[in-house]
Order: sequence, then C-alpha cells, then structure tokens
Amino acid sequence: AQSVTQPDIHITVSEGASLELRCNYSYGATPYLFWYVQSPGQGLQLLLKYFSGDTLVQGIKGFEAEFKRSQSSFNLRKPSVHWSDAAEYFCAVGSRFGNEKLTFGTGTRLTIIP
Amino acid sequence: DGGITQSPKYLFRKEGQNVTLSCEQNLNHDAMYWYRQDPGQGLRLIYYSQIVNDFQKGDIAEGYSVSREKKESFPLTVTSAQKNPTAFYLCASTFRTGSSGNTIYFGEGSWLTVV
Repeated sequence: AQSVTQPDIHITVSEGASLELRCNYSYGATPYLFWYVQSPGQGLQLLLKYFSGDTLVQGIKGFEAEFKRSQSSFNLRKPSVHWSDAAEYFCAVGSRFGNEKLTFGTGTRLTIIP
Repeated sequence: DGGITQSPKYLFRKEGQNVTLSCEQNLNHDAMYWYRQDPGQGLRLIYYSQIVNDFQKGDIAEGYSVSREKKESFPLTVTSAQKNPTAFYLCASTFRTGSSGNTIYFGEGSWLTVV
C-alpha cells in the first residue's frame, strides 16, 4: 500500500529565509507526487505535481520540489518565504493504475516570523 | 466560475441525527471524493466515485453513506453510526481519462460539529 511521511509537524522560519519541507513516500513503482497548501479553514490548493520527466518541478508562488527516487523523497523548497506562505502543507502520492486516489501525509504547519 | 461548491460551511448536529453534506461541481469531472480531516492526521478518504451510479469505500467508510445519481453531485451522509463525526470534511473531483495522475481539485470544506 502507498504511504506518505511528513516528518516535521511544525516548522518556523523567518520571513526572507529559505524553506525546505520534507516528504518521503512508499510506493511499489514510480509514483505520482503532489504538494498542496491549505490556509486555515479552507480547501487545498495544488502547488505542484510530478508525473514524469524532469525531477525538479516548478510550481506556483515560487515553490519547487525535487523527486529523488533513490531516497523516496519529494521535498518542497522555496528560496525566500513571505508572511503569506504561513499555512499547512500536504504531500500526497497517487497511484499510476487509474483509480485516481491520493494518499496524504499528515501535513507540516509552517509559521513565519518577522 | 467553475469549481466545487460544498454546503453548508458550518453544521451542528445533535447526537443520533443523520446529516447530509452537499458537494456540487461544474467542472465536468468524472470522479468525486470525500475526505475527512482531523488535526494531526492529514486527510483520510471516506468514499469515492468514478462514474455515475457507482462508488467505492475508502479507508474510513464506516458510519458514512453516499450517492452519485448525477455527474455533478456527490452528497455525503454522516449517519448516527459514526462514533466521532466532528471533523472538517473536504469534497474533491478530477477527470478520469484512463491515465492516472490527473490533478484532484478540492472544495472549501464543511465543518461538522456534534453537540
């Protein structure tokens, strides 16, 4: 069965500092990978996704993520965070076998300090 | 505007009552999903439907029921059999083109509180 681990429950960074959120997955083949962001009390917005090809994926709001097969990881990065980036971030893995289901990690809450 | 509409946003239920959460999408998506979100547990799949008049249980279907009579609608009923229904519920949808990996889009969620 597929699974996702986000080892950091809560991260605090200063505005303008760089950010890396960790995501490790378990899946029997090359997975589809996603990062979503959620503001308090809201739905989820897709930041970026990896299907195939270039392992460095660019997303919205200046985010990027790198797929590393050898480490089963899909870490999310941003070179300089803004106060508006404070939110909860979810990594998810999807099956390549047509059932379109996503398995989510438990999320990482990001706090930005001035 | 195209999107996924969930209603109501906030709902209070007395113990022993069934409640139904609405989810409507005008994106012409084939597949629809219901997820439950609890603090510290991420999102867990309750039910999903890939075509009209068909649906499958997810990981935590006990105490819930769904129907898919129309392509654009996928209501979720939280029954009195659900022991701990207080949570944030998210509806989602996507195209089902035969190749997996389509982006799943989410509604704004519904808060259910049992009082």
